[in-house]
Amino acid sequence: QKEVEQNSGPLSVPEGAIASLNCTYSDRGSQSFFWYRQYSGKSPELIMSIYSNGDKEDGRFTAQLNKASQYVSLLIRDSQPSDSATYLCAVPPNQAGTALIFGKGTTLSVSS
Amino acid sequence: KAGVTQTPRYLIKTRGQQVTLSCSPISGHRSVSWYQQTPGQGLQFLFEYFSETQRNKGNFPGRFSGRQFSNSRSEMNVSTLELGDSALYLCASSPGQSNEKLFFGSGTQLSVL
Repeated sequence: QKEVEQNSGPLSVPEGAIASLNCTYSDRGSQSFFWYRQYSGKSPELIMSIYSNGDKEDGRFTAQLNKASQYVSLLIRDSQPSDSATYLCAVPPNQAGTALIFGKGTTLSVSS
Repeated sequence: KAGVTQTPRYLIKTRGQQVTLSCSPISGHRSVSWYQQTPGQGLQFLFEYFSETQRNKGNFPGRFSGRQFSNSRSEMNVSTLELGDSALYLCASSPGQSNEKLFFGSGTQLSVL
């Protein structure tokens, strides 16, 4: 089964800094990649998806994909204390369906 | 629109018992997937159902099973419970096409004593 690896953290950054979260995946054939955010005691919610090599920006969030190196990253600019959460990287197990294989997540702590 | 509803919210069982968890997806959503979340293993995929058919399955033993009804509601069953089955079980729904956003329920917290 496909595997997704993330550094569990915690990653600590000061308010206003750039937080960089990384993820590697095992299957070179993976085509789509997702970042979910999970606040403590809450359920995961989608924040970014990316399918093509390069960068995809959405507000303060930028997802970067490098298929040759099999890694995906998430950059959070101007980090806020409200960004403190666990960030989960995910890939589909195959081309059909909506199921996802998740990494164990990186916990981000933003201090004010 | 109501969100994904999971019942019950909390459940306490003893080893050897079986348990059934329920998930009602967002109206119009035809895909339901189930996940087990533990502090040590993170969020692990159990299975996915679409139009009453199991479309994908994770690497869990046969004690874990599920089904989906014609109204898209889904149930998962765990038989012969083990202590290690203690976890938060999350259900997620989506309309049914690949690469869609998943909408998660609040989960069922299962404790096996």
